[in-house]
Amino acid sequence: EAQVTQNPRYLITVTGKKLTVTCSQNMNHEYMSWYRQDPGLGLRQIYYSMNVEVTDKGDVPEGYKVSRKEKRNFPLILESPSPNQTSLYFCASSSLGTAGGETQYFGPGTRLLVL
Amino acid sequence: DQQVKQNSPSLSVQEGRISILNCDYTNSMFDYFLWYKKYPAEGPTFLISISSIKDKNEDGRFTVFLNKSAKHLSLHIVPSQPGDSAVYFCAATYFGGYQKVTFGTGTKLQVIP
Repeated sequence: EAQVTQNPRYLITVTGKKLTVTCSQNMNHEYMSWYRQDPGLGLRQIYYSMNVEVTDKGDVPEGYKVSRKEKRNFPLILESPSPNQTSLYFCASSSLGTAGGETQYFGPGTRLLVL
Repeated sequence: DQQVKQNSPSLSVQEGRISILNCDYTNSMFDYFLWYKKYPAEGPTFLISISSIKDKNEDGRFTVFLNKSAKHLSLHIVPSQPGDSAVYFCAATYFGGYQKVTFGTGTKLQVIP
């Protein structure tokens, strides 16, 4: 089954304690991206990656890191989480087409609470 | 600076009637637009898209209209069904080797049986 998986699905942590949210896709997609969803703000892009070792900032990259060492995995790293990073996070992937707007497949989300 | 705006946070419609969800954008570089649907506790799923070379795209009960001069697009659902109750996100992007996608704030649609 084609899918994007995220782990963990729920996470409660404390300020300053480093954490990693994993994302994996089995569709051989070149493109992967991370979003956060907040009330009244919709989905905002954090980072995206066009392929292995190619990453770039989205609209809200501050406080986050990513890496793309393998095509299927795109982990999101919070080196020193703060309460304003409490949010619902989604990973997505797509193929790289010619239209520039290929359909993205989203994971089920990770709900993070930073105390 | 919200480049993609959905000014109606919520919308209620009777089953069988038409649902119209609106989306406005400010960046004239956007040339590809998508609608995603999101149920609670799930990730968004793709619904329908439109390229700027078209002004209408239809897929079953779902039609998206694009008015480039007004920088406005709308999603029509006819007839609306209770299973359509969800949050709908409008998204925009542009061709140029990038996949930087900008989403709107979402509209929560409730279809009343």
